[in-house]
Parts: sequence; structure tokens; C-alpha cells
Amino acid sequence: AQSVTQLDSHVSVSEGTPVLLRCNYSSSYSPSLFWYVQHPNKGLQLLLKYTSAATLVKGINGFEAEFKKSETSFHLTKPSAHMSDAAEYFCVVILAGGTSYGKLTFGQGTILTVHP
Amino acid sequence: DAGVTQSPTHLIKTRGQQVTLRCSPKSGHDTVSWYQQALGQGPQFIFQYYEEEERQRGNFPDRFSGHQFPNYSSELNVNALLLGDSALYLCASSLVTGVETQYFGPGTRLLVL
Repeated sequence: AQSVTQLDSHVSVSEGTPVLLRCNYSSSYSPSLFWYVQHPNKGLQLLLKYTSAATLVKGINGFEAEFKKSETSFHLTKPSAHMSDAAEYFCVVILAGGTSYGKLTFGQGTILTVHP
Repeated sequence: DAGVTQSPTHLIKTRGQQVTLRCSPKSGHDTVSWYQQALGQGPQFIFQYYEEEERQRGNFPDRFSGHQFPNYSSELNVNALLLGDSALYLCASSLVTGVETQYFGPGTRLLVL
């Protein structure tokens, strides 16, 4: 079985300060991990993807995430928040094998608020 | 290059009715997956189609069915609608089944009254 837990339902930061969105996963097989962003009334946009290459993954708009197998974590960070980063962020796992092969499993989402 | 497109954008139905949602995948993609996103929750996997066959299915009742056409476009059908079926329905396409990145359309928002 596979699952994803986003540790914070809401995160609030000031513009220009760092962003940290936390994600833990569990899986029986080697996972691929993604972060997607969803702006209000919009579809999901891929931020970045981990597929067992480099453990530090760089994505779009200055975001990056580090895969830590020992901690089963895949936290999303950005050094300096921008007002346009305000959105809902989803951590997602997909397995390379087993009965859940090819199926995306989403976390519950973290709503990021950015204050001026 | 067009991305994933879905139609309609919004839909209002009453309990017991049937609905059909449509999805055209990103150019060059052959796999389509459908997700249901209830208000305030993350998307839940409904099923995935590849080569016109259902390859994977999530924990959804048989009222939810689908189809994939030779041009890789897909339909999601829901019969005997319930109030709880009100949600944003997302379609995602990818090149092959497995761990390839899935690209999402804007979704169809369904309201069941």
C-alpha cells in the first residue's frame, strides 16, 4: 500500500521569507514523488518530480524538494516566497510496481498563504 | 501544443440523473486517468485507461464507468447521481502507464442537486 501525509493543512508566511511544506510518504515499492500546485479554480500544475536520480530536485518558480529515504520525507522548500505562490500544494506518490502501479495517491493538501 | 482539455467546465444535474464528462489528452499521450476532487480534499483516483482498456481502478462503485477512444480521448460516465458526487473531476494524461508524469486538465465542476 502507499500513502502520503502532508503535515500541515495551512502554512502562512510573509513575502520574501522561506517556505517549507512538509510531506511524509509510505510505500512498499520504490516510489516516484511529485509536488503539484493548484491555484483557485484551476487544474493541477506540476512543480517537480523525483524518480530515484538526484535526491535534491529543482522545480519551477524557485521551488525544490529533497528526498530523504531514511526519514521517508519529501519536503518542499523555496528560499523566498512571492505573493503569486499563494495556492494549494499537493504531495503525490506513484509506485513503480505492485497493485497500485501507475496510480497517483495524493496528500490532503497544504494551503499556502503569503502576506505582504 | 494543446494541453489536456476537458468539457464541459461546469455542469448541474439532479439526483438520479446520468452525466458524461469528456477529456482530450495532451498531444502524443496515450494514457488517461480520472480523479475526483471533493471540496477541501485531495484528488482521489477513479480509474485509468490505456489502449482503450481500463488498466487500474480506485475504490469507486460501478456507477462510475469510462471509455477510451482510438484517438486516446476519454469519457467518464456517472449513473444514478448522488449528492455526494458533487466534485471537481480531473482528467490527467501521460505517455505510458506507470511512473510517467501525469498532466492535468482544468477539470469539470459537477454540482448535483
